[in-house]
Amino acid sequence: ETGVTQSPTHLIKTRGQQVTLRCSSQSGHNTVSWYQQALGQGPQFIFQYYREEENGRGNFPPRFSGLQFPNYSSELNVNALELDDSALYLCASSLRPGSSYNSPLHFGNGTRLTVT
Amino acid sequence: KNEVEQSPQNLTAQEGEFITINCSYSVGISALHWLQQHPGGGIVSLFMLSSGKKKHGRLIATINIQEKHSSLHITASHPRDSAVYICAVASPLEYGNKLVFGAGTILRVKS
Repeated sequence: ETGVTQSPTHLIKTRGQQVTLRCSSQSGHNTVSWYQQALGQGPQFIFQYYREEENGRGNFPPRFSGLQFPNYSSELNVNALELDDSALYLCASSLRPGSSYNSPLHFGNGTRLTVT
Repeated sequence: KNEVEQSPQNLTAQEGEFITINCSYSVGISALHWLQQHPGGGIVSLFMLSSGKKKHGRLIATINIQEKHSSLHITASHPRDSAVYICAVASPLEYGNKLVFGAGTILRVKS
């Protein structure tokens, strides 16, 4: 059973650029959720993907977008990067959308994005 | 006011001490998760609770649904327990599919 893997681990971008972060979900999991964690804070929900469709979104602007592929891996895209986008981006996979109500969570190690 | 409050924010303990971290939330929930985050960033799930108490090794988690409060206890603490401990709540009625997280408690155990 493979765990959740994220790439890259670290990334440095310039304000205004675009970035794509990747997440491979745990084997058998069809749902991926993305979170942003600023320094010293808890993770904030960005959005969730289930069966290649967005299935819930947090309070993030449209320049944060995502994709989920048939193999359930996922991408997070951020356009027009701002300094405040500097954070750790985490993805978590689950068996189904509602399984955080009754199953443990499976997180990747995150991608640390620095915007200069 | 944050929807999920943790206390303390920072905690330094001596090896062997009994540690308690608290989590309070404001809405009815279906589950509460305790998570451990090490300096590299990766998050490990410790417990998922909807009622009562769970124990795993030196870790114990309790929840009081009526009081909207949960605690994580670490017995015989060890320097390798040093990490950030985060609680997160799931409430389909209030939050849909998303989890809401506390800001975390930074624990340092000294030898």
